[in-house]
Amino acid sequence: DAKTTQPNSMESNEEEPVHLPCNHSTISGTDYIHWYRQLPSQGPEYVIHGLTSNVNNRMASLAIAEDRKSSTLILHRATLRDAAVYYCIPMDSNYQLIWGAGTKLIIKP
Amino acid sequence: ETGVTQSPTHLIKTRGQQVTLRCSSQSGHNTVSWYQQALGQGPQFIFQYYREEENGRGNFPPRFSGLQFPNYSSELNVNALELDDSALYLCASSRTGETQETQYFGPGTRLLVL
Repeated sequence: DAKTTQPNSMESNEEEPVHLPCNHSTISGTDYIHWYRQLPSQGPEYVIHGLTSNVNNRMASLAIAEDRKSSTLILHRATLRDAAVYYCIPMDSNYQLIWGAGTKLIIKP
Repeated sequence: ETGVTQSPTHLIKTRGQQVTLRCSSQSGHNTVSWYQQALGQGPQFIFQYYREEENGRGNFPPRFSGLQFPNYSSELNVNALELDDSALYLCASSRTGETQETQYFGPGTRLLVL
């Protein structure tokens, strides 16, 4: 299974962009990278996923390195409601998510 | 709101007892995955059910078992509870067959084993 490395925590100011890094150097060529987040006292929620090229949706952007060994989740304008634990997760060939410890994002007003 | 519901929300059991947790999947979803999340850690994959059959299992002992019903709802059963089983149990539903299916999570059941 592919392993991921993320910072334990990051801080950002409200209304500023946030770049959350993830290293996944052992990812296989066909594993997609998924990002989920978990707000306090809630179940995780899907944020975005991608394979090789950069992806955008209404919540965030995902920048994937050309060698696919790392990716960055970008929140363009963080709000207090974005304070959560963010998980970078390779999805294996059985469509099963393998989770690490994630990055706790702290947003300062 | 994901449309995935779990019951009960909280539960207290004693060591050695058995527990059943329930999950109703989102409409149109045929796959349910169960996760255990200890405090301060990421979710750990327990197993997945697709069309009433187990479709993959994580590193959990056989006393963790499950069922999926024809309406795609699911149960997680844990026998001979141990103190370390205290955790948040999450279920997620998805629609197998879609490329890179997204999983939709319920709010979880918090289990405390004394």
